[in-house]
This record gives sequence, structure tokens and C-alpha cells, in this order.
Amino acid sequence: AQTVTQSQPEMSVQEAETVTLSCTYDTSENNYYLFWYKQPPSRQMILVIRQEAYKQQNATENRFSVNFQKAAKSFSLKISDSQLGDTAMYFCAFMNYGGATNKLIFGTGTLLAVQP
Amino acid sequence: NAGVTQTPKFQVLKTGQSMTLQCAQDMNHNSMYWYRQDPGMGLRLIYYSASEGTTDKGEVPNGYNVSRLNKREFSLRLESAAPSQTSVYFCASSGWTDYNEKLFFGSGTQLSVL
Repeated sequence: AQTVTQSQPEMSVQEAETVTLSCTYDTSENNYYLFWYKQPPSRQMILVIRQEAYKQQNATENRFSVNFQKAAKSFSLKISDSQLGDTAMYFCAFMNYGGATNKLIFGTGTLLAVQP
Repeated sequence: NAGVTQTPKFQVLKTGQSMTLQCAQDMNHNSMYWYRQDPGMGLRLIYYSASEGTTDKGEVPNGYNVSRLNKREFSLRLESAAPSQTSVYFCASSGWTDYNEKLFFGSGTQLSVL
């Protein structure tokens, strides 16, 4: 069974600085996606970034980038130039693909506070 | 706008009462899911449905039943609510969109069981 581990329950960063959120996962599959979701106080689940396992190049979306280390099964999220609106819970997630159903498995989350 | 519609947004039940959470998507997705979110535990999969007419258990199915009424709708039923089922519930659907597998979430249901 796949598992996703986020070892940082809470983190804090000063506005305009850079922060990295950690995520590790365990799987025996070769074909999968990895995701970072943001959940602000509104409770909405917002996709931040995704990474296909077969791609060696790290995904980037504006201020958000990942460090994907497939052999180490590590998938960290870097937020550059942190903004107050980045304050939220961040979830790392794993999805196997190619089967009948692609289930999304979540980590326990990291609560990020951006300080002014 | 296309998306996942989930109702109700809030609900308070007494122990032993029953209720059904409704979910509908208009993106023609085959797969649909129900998750519950609890502090410190992330989102845990309750049930999922790979296609109309099929359902399977996830990590935490006990105390719940589901129905995939048609391709659009996937409901979650609590037959006899317990305080341990106090949680935030999310419905989601997934499908192939713009050459990528994408997952879309509803806005969540805050359920309190007293």
C-alpha cells in the first residue's frame, strides 16, 4: 500500500522569504503522479503543483517549485517570495495511475503561517 | 461553471440519526470519491467509485454506505451517526482533462454529531 508522510506539522516563514515543505512517500509502483494541494481557511482544496513520476524535470508554477527525488521517494515543495495569502494547510498527495481507479492518497498536512 | 457540487455545507446530527451527503459532478468523470478530513490526519478515503454501478471501500469505510446513482451522482450515507463521525467530508471526481489526470473537489461538508 502507498503511504505519504509529511513530517512537519507546522511551519512559519517571514513574508518575502523562501520556505520548503517536506514530503516522502512509499510505493512499489513506477507510474504515478505527485501533487501539492493548498487548503486555506475557506476549506477549498486548491491544486498547487503536480509532477509525473516519469518526468525527470522538476515541475514549476510561478513561485512554487518542487524537488522530486524519485530514488529517495522525496517530493518537497519550495515557495519563493512568500506572501500572506500563502498561509494555509498544505497537503502532499500521491496517485497511482494505469489501474481501474486512480486513488489519491494524502499526507497529514503542514500548516504554513506567513508572518508579515 | 463545471465542477463538483456537494450538499449540505453544514449539518448537525444527534447520535443515532441518519443522513445522506449528496455529490454531483458535471464533467463526465468516471471516478468519484468520498474523503473525510480530521485534524492531524489529512484526508482519508472512505469509499470510491470507478464507474457507474461500482463502489469500493477505502481506508475508513466503517459506519458509511455509498450509492453511485448514475455517472453524475455519488452519495454518502450515515445510517446511525456517531460522535466519531464528526468531521469535514469532501467529495471529489477525477478524469482525463487536457491530457492530464485531474482531481476536482467539492467545497466540503462540516458535520457535527452530538
